[in-house]
Amino acid sequence: GIQVEQSPPDLILQEGANSTLRCNFSDSVNNLQWFHQNPWGQLINLFYIPSGTKQNGRLSATTVATERYSLLYISSSQTTDSGVYFCAVERVSGGYNKLIFGAGTRLAVHP
Amino acid sequence: DVKVTQSSRYLVKRTGEKVFLECVQDMDHENMFWYRQDPGLGLRLIYFSYDVKMKEKGDIPEGYSVSREKKERFSLILESASTNQTSMYLCASSWKQVNEQYFGPGTRLTVT
Repeated sequence: GIQVEQSPPDLILQEGANSTLRCNFSDSVNNLQWFHQNPWGQLINLFYIPSGTKQNGRLSATTVATERYSLLYISSSQTTDSGVYFCAVERVSGGYNKLIFGAGTRLAVHP
Repeated sequence: DVKVTQSSRYLVKRTGEKVFLECVQDMDHENMFWYRQDPGLGLRLIYFSYDVKMKEKGDIPEGYSVSREKKERFSLILESASTNQTSMYLCASSWKQVNEQYFGPGTRLTVT
């Protein structure tokens, strides 16, 4: 099956720093989502981005589907950005579209 | 805003009990999903539904069943809870044509 690899696995930042998280996938996909899992466990939608670039405040994402990767940029990080960031790719499996998740990048932002 | 709610944030049950986890979405989504999340294993799909009264097995359906009697509600049932079902359970929903999934807050289930 398709492999989804995220890097780095762990990241520690000082408040105000910028960072780039990467998601590589091993085969063509229909779509890609980025999520932030907060310390209470909820998965928050960040981006639905099958290709191109999107921005939302201090966050932006770029997916280059032809090269099978996506990047999530966090600028001017804040302590509330801490948590785990997941990318998930959509593939057809057994006749249905399914999300396949990467293992995540655990981010800690210190004041 | 899309809202997906789950009946409990934390739940403690005894081995052998029947457990119901409820999920409700308010966006008229056709698709609904149940996942479990465990350290080192990531998110795994248990069951999903593409329409009322319709269900499909995910990757780890054993020990679980589901019910979807109304479009907005998707229930996960543990017929006889076991300790290896201690986990974080996450519900999600999406539209049929655009599978952008929205997640609920999760239920941390402990089976003792």
